[in-house]
Amino acid sequence: QVQLVESGGGVVQPGRSLRLSCAASGFTFRNYGMHWVRQVPGKGLEWVAVIWYDESNQFYADSVKGRFTISRDNSRNTLYLQVNSLRAEDTAVYYCAKGRTPYSSDSDYWGQGTLVSVSS
Amino acid sequence: QSALTQPASVSGSPGQSITISCTGTSSDVGGYNYVSWYQQHPGKAPKLMIYDVSNRPSGVSTRFSGSKSGNTASLTISGLQAEDEADYYCGSYTNSNTQVFGGGTKLTVL
Repeated sequence: QVQLVESGGGVVQPGRSLRLSCAASGFTFRNYGMHWVRQVPGKGLEWVAVIWYDESNQFYADSVKGRFTISRDNSRNTLYLQVNSLRAEDTAVYYCAKGRTPYSSDSDYWGQGTLVSVSS
Repeated sequence: QSALTQPASVSGSPGQSITISCTGTSSDVGGYNYVSWYQQHPGKAPKLMIYDVSNRPSGVSTRFSGSKSGNTASLTISGLQAEDEADYYCGSYTNSNTQVFGGGTKLTVL
């Protein structure tokens, strides 16, 4: 069965960095696009970034462009999100989500999320 | 990348049907047949219910259906059940190769 397990969240001061990871199993990771989506507790979903199956393209929400970098290691079945210059408004649960196709505009499986809390 | 517009809340009685709307622009909902719908129960991860406007993933009840007209997509749930009570989000591909979600709709089963 498909499993996505996020890690790397925690409490961090404004301006600092974190790297989130997502370990994938139960499917052929290298064949699918992958997304990061975040959600402020009690609020709605916000799409963050997508990376195509072959790493050839990455796209970002305007709110994180230039600060966040999505990447993947197809040999390790792992998705990453490097988050730099963190702001209070980046506080959220960050979900890793499997794309339904190699380029994918939607996500058919989601992890349980990792909480990032930006606070001084 | 403005969020898609959904009603904040809808409600219905068991056995009834409800429809949740999702309004975007010609740059997202209206421009592509790549609208999806997600169900999220409290404390849980979202679950894909509809993709490509009207397709159901394997295992999703046939009580859930999707459609689109112009810049507005809709999710209809027929034969409401208590377990359908959840938050629902629409999502769409955009002309920037990104994705955008709606603000979410809280469904209450009376």
